[in-house]
Order: sequence, then C-alpha cells, then structure tokens
Amino acid sequence: GAVVSQHPSWVICKSGTSVKIECRSLDFQATTMFWYRQFPKQSLMLMATSNEGSKATYEQGVEKDKFLINHASLTLSTLTVTSAHPEDSSFYICSARAGGRVGEKLFFGSGTQLSVL
Amino acid sequence: DQQVKQNSPSLSVQEGRISILNCDYTNSMFDYFLWYKKYPAEGPTFLISISSIKDKNEDGRFTVFLNKSAKHLSLHIVPSQPGDSAVYFCAAQRRMDSYDKVIFGPGTSLSVIP
Repeated sequence: GAVVSQHPSWVICKSGTSVKIECRSLDFQATTMFWYRQFPKQSLMLMATSNEGSKATYEQGVEKDKFLINHASLTLSTLTVTSAHPEDSSFYICSARAGGRVGEKLFFGSGTQLSVL
Repeated sequence: DQQVKQNSPSLSVQEGRISILNCDYTNSMFDYFLWYKKYPAEGPTFLISISSIKDKNEDGRFTVFLNKSAKHLSLHIVPSQPGDSAVYFCAAQRRMDSYDKVIFGPGTSLSVIP
C-alpha cells in the first residue's frame, strides 16, 4: 500500500514554543491530507483538511491561528502548533488520500506524540 | 457528541475463536462504513468496508455486518489469531459529501490469547 511518513514521532517542548509536524506521502501525490488529534481512549478527531495550494479547512472548534497548516506541495503537509500549552499535549496523526474519495484510500502516518511541559 | 461509538474499549479472545467487535452510529446520513486496524506506534490501516446498500461484506477471515435499522455494525474475525491483536477503529463516511470526512469511533483494543 501507499506510504505516509510523519515526523517527528514524539516531541517534548516547553510551554510557549512552537512545534512543527511534517506529513509526507512517499510514493504517491496527495492533493488532500487530513490532520487528526487523539486524546487517550477517545476517537481520532478530525482537525482540518489540508488542500495543496489552498487554505486548509478547519473543523468547528479548531483554532486556525493556533494550528497552522501548510500544504505547499503534493507530497508534504505541515502542522505547526503555535505557542503550545500543556492542554495541547496530545497524539497528532495525519492521513493522505491516494485518489478517489472513499475511505479505503486513506493512508495514515504513524503519528506524533506531543508533550508540552 | 460522538457520531460513531464503540462501547467496548477492550476485548480478549482465545486464539481460534471468533472475535466480534461492535460499533454503533447515530447519523442516518452515513452511507459507508469502514474498519481500520492499528498496531502500536503505527498509523491505522484500512481493513474492510461496507456500503449501506449491503448488509454483509466478507474478506477472508474478516466479515462486516451492517444493520441499518439499528444503526449498528459489527466486525467478525474467524478464526482469531495472535497477530490480530491491535486496536480496531470503526469509521463512517458520507460518500455523497463533497467534503468527504471519515468519522472515527474511539477504538476497541483486541487481545487474542494464544
């Protein structure tokens, strides 16, 4: 299957700093990538949809100024958590769609565990 | 407001027996359902899906059943193998949406005991 690489896999940062997470589709072009957040024992919550060459579409309740998404190429989307605070500590995971609109074509990165001290 | 629910956070099954993972949804507009499997330190991977026009889809040891009137689906794994131990996410989608979000449940952790 298609491969999605997410980096870093874990990061610890001080409160007030910014953290950038990268999501790359390694063997296919992804016009659309998705960013999720998961709290322990809870669902993967969709945060935003990242579209190559245009602004990301954010889900209700997600602060676009706090979670900056850039999708500058067909193989790379980045999520920047700006001025991170302890409540931003969570598991962040990206997915990329390899054509079509059905969920079978969603390929996920391995996730990033963010801990804000 | 969880649109996709998996009420059992964990399940243990003996190797060779049947594993049944359950999922309920609240949005009657969902017309496509998927199961994903996730191992630790890896992203979820697609396992099997079913369209709302069907009530059963089978792929090898995996079968998904859909009961639209009850807004319920289940994943059956027969026979269960130790390698099936993972977290299983139920997910739902509205394929007619131009904005094709996949909504996930919280997952069920399956342990298959040798």
